[in-house]
Amino acid sequence: EAQVTQNPRYLITVTGKKLTVTCSQNMNHEYMSWYRQDPGLGLRQIYYSMNVEVTDKGDVPEGYKVSRKEKRNFPLILESPSPNQTSLYFCASSAYGDQPQHFGDGTRLSIL
Amino acid sequence: QKEVEQNSGPLSVPEGAIASLNCTYSDRGSQSFFWYRQYSGKSPELIMSIYSNGDKEDGRFTAQLNKASQYVSLLIRDSQPSDSATYLCAAFPSDSNYQLIWGAGTKLIIKP
Repeated sequence: EAQVTQNPRYLITVTGKKLTVTCSQNMNHEYMSWYRQDPGLGLRQIYYSMNVEVTDKGDVPEGYKVSRKEKRNFPLILESPSPNQTSLYFCASSAYGDQPQHFGDGTRLSIL
Repeated sequence: QKEVEQNSGPLSVPEGAIASLNCTYSDRGSQSFFWYRQYSGKSPELIMSIYSNGDKEDGRFTAQLNKASQYVSLLIRDSQPSDSATYLCAAFPSDSNYQLIWGAGTKLIIKP
């Protein structure tokens, strides 16, 4: 089954404790992206990747890091999480940048 | 600043009626447009994509694109309570940074 898999689905953690949210797709897609979604603010792009070893900042990259060492994986790293990063996070992928994006089920992060 | 605008709603429609959702975009050169449905707390799900002027039909859904007027709409015929969700409009801009521009979404409520 074609899918985008995110882990964990839910995480409650504390300020400053490094965390990684994994994202993996099995569709051989070149394009991958991370979004956060907050009430009233819609989807905001954090980072995206056009292909292996190619990443670029989205609209809200501060406080986040990404890497794309393999085509299928695009982890999101919060080196020193803060409460303002409490949000619902989505990973998405598409065959190419201008194609429809397929979303993972989401990760709800709470930073205390 | 490239934007996609949607009325946040909620838009209330009786069951069985036609729901009409509208979206305008600022980048005249945009070529690809997408409608996503998002249930509360869930990930966005692609409903329709449209690339050329006119109508595109898929089951109960019809997407309409008018590039001259810079709007795209989604019609849902025979609305069902299960259609109650937030509908997100997205446009792929004319430049090459491969960032979809997202609207904030319209909340649709289908009343039985």
